[in-house]
Amino acid sequence: GQQLNQSPQSMFIQEGEDVSMNCTSSSIFNTWLWYKQDPGEGPVLLIALYKAGELTSNGRLTAQFGITRKDSFLNISASIPSDVGIYFCAGPPDAAGNKLTFGGGTRVLVKP
Amino acid sequence: NAGVTQTPKFQVLKTGQSMTLQCAQDMNHEYMSWYRQDPGMGLRLIHYSVGAGITDQGEVPNGYNVSRSTTEDFPLRLLSAAPSQTSVYFCATGENTEAFFGQGTRLTVV
Repeated sequence: GQQLNQSPQSMFIQEGEDVSMNCTSSSIFNTWLWYKQDPGEGPVLLIALYKAGELTSNGRLTAQFGITRKDSFLNISASIPSDVGIYFCAGPPDAAGNKLTFGGGTRVLVKP
Repeated sequence: NAGVTQTPKFQVLKTGQSMTLQCAQDMNHEYMSWYRQDPGMGLRLIHYSVGAGITDQGEVPNGYNVSRSTTEDFPLRLLSAAPSQTSVYFCATGENTEAFFGQGTRLTVV
C-alpha cells in the first residue's frame, strides 16, 4: 500500500531553535496534512496543504507542499517547550478523501 | 461540543475475550474511521464508514468488526482479543480530508 516516510524519526530541540522535518512518498499525493500529537491525546490538525508548491503558515509553523507532489516539509521557528510531541504527516492516497495514510511520525523532545 | 468521544480510555483484556470500543461524534460528519497506533508505525486504518449503514475495510481490518447504525456512533468490536491487538485505538471523523480525532483508547491484551 501507500507509504509515507518521515525523517528524522526523532529530534531534540533547544528553546529558540528552528527545526525542520520532512515527509516523502513513493507516489503522488494531492493533499498533505500535518498533525501534532501530545502525550495521551489524539492527533490535532496543524496545517493542510492542497496545491503543489503551496506554502502555508500557522503561527510559528510553516509547511510546504513539494512541487513533485511526493514530499512535504514542516518547519517550526523559535521552538518552545510545548512544541514537544509527535508530528505526523498524512494524506489521502486516492480521491476517496478521508481515508488517510500516516507517516511513522517525528518525535520532538527537549534537549536535557 | 464534545467533538469525538471515545470510551473507555483504558482497558485490559484477557486473550480470547471480546469487547466493544465506543466512539461517538457530535460534529454531524458522515465520515468516521478507526485507527490503531503502534510505536514507530504511525496510525493505520482499521475500518471506515462514509455514512450510516455503510462500512468498509481499511489497511488492517482482521480481528475487528464495525457497524454504523447512526451518523453519531461507530463502535469497534474485538470478537476474540489477541496480544497482537495491544495498541492505542483512535476514532476519527471529518470531511474534505481533515480528520478530527478522539482521545484514544489504550488497550492491553494479556
